[in-house]
Amino acid sequence: EAGVAQSPRYKIIEKRQSVAFWCNPISGHATLYWYQQILGQGPKLLIQFQNNGVVDDSQLPKDRFSAERLKGVDSTLKIQPAKLEDSAVYLCASSLVWGQSYSGANVLTFGAGSRLTVL
Amino acid sequence: RKEVEQDPGPFNVPEGATVAFNCTYSNSASQSFFWYRQDCRKEPKLLMSVYSSGNEDGRFTAQLNRASQYISLLIRDSKLSDSATYLCVSRGGSQGNLIFGKGTKLSVKP
Repeated sequence: EAGVAQSPRYKIIEKRQSVAFWCNPISGHATLYWYQQILGQGPKLLIQFQNNGVVDDSQLPKDRFSAERLKGVDSTLKIQPAKLEDSAVYLCASSLVWGQSYSGANVLTFGAGSRLTVL
Repeated sequence: RKEVEQDPGPFNVPEGATVAFNCTYSNSASQSFFWYRQDCRKEPKLLMSVYSSGNEDGRFTAQLNRASQYISLLIRDSKLSDSATYLCVSRGGSQGNLIFGKGTKLSVKP
């Protein structure tokens, strides 16, 4: 089974520039998540999609971050304009289902991440 | 109070040692919990799920204490390859989303 694919793996930009990250989840996984992980911290949820609909974007800084999953499969996360504090690893994850489940179907599988450095 | 709190460590232990990490959570409505392992500069990977009082998988044992709102992870007979950061995760929030702790770093020495 192919895993969660992300690109690019690394990106260095200057503040106020824009950047986009792409994610292709595991085939058949309806739920897709974008997490931000700052060095020394645990992952923080930015946005969660169920198919092509947004389930939770309460922690997404909407003045600069946007995300879409138009066809319910792959997704893009954009930052415009970037700030120094956006330097982090952006992790995409997917799961078969979301919410409470005791079958393991709601377990998240993460991609390798996209490491962003803002100078 | 943060939703999921962990001692960041580092825990430096010799090979063969037994080590335990604790994690506390604030949302009493949380139903399920997980331990993820994250190697340096890698993505988190699921180590164990904890749905009831506990779970055991080989050298790893997770226990849940709902009354005191904490989860523990016990690693017996530590191996060099166990060196990683261990993330405690609670399923909570209004959407039942996963809330990650900051992680506990473990370093197993020869």
